[in-house]
This record gives sequence, structure tokens and C-alpha cells, in this order.
Amino acid sequence: ETGVTQTPRHLVMGMTNKKSLKCEQHLGHNAMYWYKQSAKKPLELMFVYNFKEQTENNSVPSRFSPECPNSSHLFLHLHTLQPEDSALYLCASSLNYGNYQPQHFGDGTRLSIL
Amino acid sequence: KQEVTQIPAALSVPEGENLVLNCSFTDSAIYNLQWFRQDPGKGLTSLLLIQSSQREQTSGRLNASLDKSSGRSTLYIAASQPGDSATYLCAVTLNNNDMRFGAGTRLTVKP
Repeated sequence: ETGVTQTPRHLVMGMTNKKSLKCEQHLGHNAMYWYKQSAKKPLELMFVYNFKEQTENNSVPSRFSPECPNSSHLFLHLHTLQPEDSALYLCASSLNYGNYQPQHFGDGTRLSIL
Repeated sequence: KQEVTQIPAALSVPEGENLVLNCSFTDSAIYNLQWFRQDPGKGLTSLLLIQSSQREQTSGRLNASLDKSSGRSTLYIAASQPGDSATYLCAVTLNNNDMRFGAGTRLTVKP
């Protein structure tokens, strides 16, 4: 139990669907992260939120839309995805962003695009 | 641009063997280096963290070394067990706080 919970664990969707991934942390952290992990490729940082404000957007296509309503919750809204978006999406949190705090990872959502 | 490479991509060993996993990075300007373990369908669990000023860290049967000047780190696993089977990821934290990950080494320890 890492204190970071992601739902759903698995998601299969068509390219025209709209779905959302959810991440919740119970660690009292202020920074939250979305990563994409494709098969046999390094983790790619997608978004960073610090105190609910987006601080990083690593050239992620607009079909991925993050939302951070408070420091404990992070969402990733998905629409009109492509087959190459199939991957494991990992959420992480840390005490703060910018002070080299260790990140704690959730177990991820395995996303498959038909 | 910092790139992190892990060799080999996959490794299979019999139980009881000592083994070494390798990680290399292209830019020595790092803040720290971490080794993570990832089980299938799971997130990342931090195993060892080495600050840039340190040379090694040990935890149980695991020993990680860091040679910042040559851009290399190794993870040594002593007396491997089937429960050690997992993917091991190396990641460097840059001085701007961003992390760069390697693609991992998938380890299988056969009984």
C-alpha cells in the first residue's frame, strides 16, 4: 500500500469514447504527477501539479486533459485517443515539487485503445 | 538532453546467483539516482537512492553504486531468489527536479 490509489486498474475504450482516470493520495502531499509507460520504453512525464496549479506540461496532445481539483485528487480526462496511446498510466505524488522530494507511485491504469 | 540506458533489457538467472544490473546516463549533472522495482501490473517501489555526492547505498541483499563522472550505476543483487523477479528501473533526478527513467531490465530468477 503506497498511499496512492488509481482507478480504474484496467480500461478498454474505443477511439471515439470519453473516459477519465482517477488518482487519489492519502499522504498529505502537495504535488501530483501523471506518467505514461509504454511497452519497453522509459516512463514519460506528462503533467505535474503543485498545490493544484499545473507546473509542467511536456508537450502532451490535447486529447489528454488533466484536472486537479485539490491536492489529494488528480484526474486525466481522455477523448478521441489513438491506438498508440495504449499504455500504463502511472500517478505519483510527492510532498512538494521542486525540493527533490521522493515520489510515491500508484499501481497505474492499464489503458487499451481499440 | 539526459538519456538513461539500461543493459541488458532482460536477464534470466538460476536461483542463488549473484547478478549485476547496469544503468548509464549521458549527463553527469544529476542530483541523485534511484533504483526502482516494478512488479507486473504494479507501480514503482523505490529500492535505493544515491545522492550525487555518494558512491553507494546498501539495503539487505541489494547494493547500488554510482560513478557520476563516468555516468554509470550498478545494482548488485546477492543470492538471487525467485521473489526478486521483476523489472528494475533506474532513474536520475536532474538539477531542475525532473526525473529521467531508463526502460528497465526485466529479471527472471528461476527456481
